[in-house]
Amino acid sequence: NAGVMQNPRHLVRRRGQEARLRCSPMKGHSHVYWYRQLPEEGLKFMVYLQKENIIDESGMPKERFSAEFPKEGPSILRIQQVVRGDSAAYFCASSPPGGFYNEQFFGPGTRLTVL
Amino acid sequence: GDSVTQMEGPVTLSEEAFLTINCTYTATGYPSLFWYVQYPGEGLQLLLKATKADDKGSNKGFEATYRKETTSFHLEKGSVQVSDSAVYFCALPKAAGNKLTFGGGTRVLVKP
Repeated sequence: NAGVMQNPRHLVRRRGQEARLRCSPMKGHSHVYWYRQLPEEGLKFMVYLQKENIIDESGMPKERFSAEFPKEGPSILRIQQVVRGDSAAYFCASSPPGGFYNEQFFGPGTRLTVL
Repeated sequence: GDSVTQMEGPVTLSEEAFLTINCTYTATGYPSLFWYVQYPGEGLQLLLKATKADDKGSNKGFEATYRKETTSFHLEKGSVQVSDSAVYFCALPKAAGNKLTFGGGTRVLVKP
């Protein structure tokens, strides 16, 4: 059973470009979470999605950031008009449905560098 | 709101030394508590967890006990190895929404 997959692993963008980060959850997992890790900091929650629904986006910046988890295909975190402050590692995690709390399994992350 | 505070690093140790990383939390109710480990260039892996007060989580020689009275979940290992060099994160989940709240992370460097 493959783990959580993220691609690309490294992404370089110039200021003003768009960044698209992809996350394929583990088989059987219908819950996806995105976290951001700024340099030398801990992880901060961004958004929690289930298939075709955003459940909690309280950690998402109000502008330029969006996330989706379509019925088919991976979850996408999209950052429009990137700025240098967006440079960070973005981690995706997935968990199975149901239960009080289910362990989140993390992907290897996408390291975004904005020039 | 919920929060997690853990000791700042870096922590530098020699092989076979004793490791303690302090973690305290603020939360409503009695959440589960987790320690995650991040090896260089990799994502986070769940190291151990405790689901209720006085539970002890253990894995790979690491242990942590859920102390309700001191709201703490300190991580310990009796004899560290070079391969334990990593960043360690204390975390607690929010049941409503399942998001994890992480501490700032503690970088541990074990020298041979």
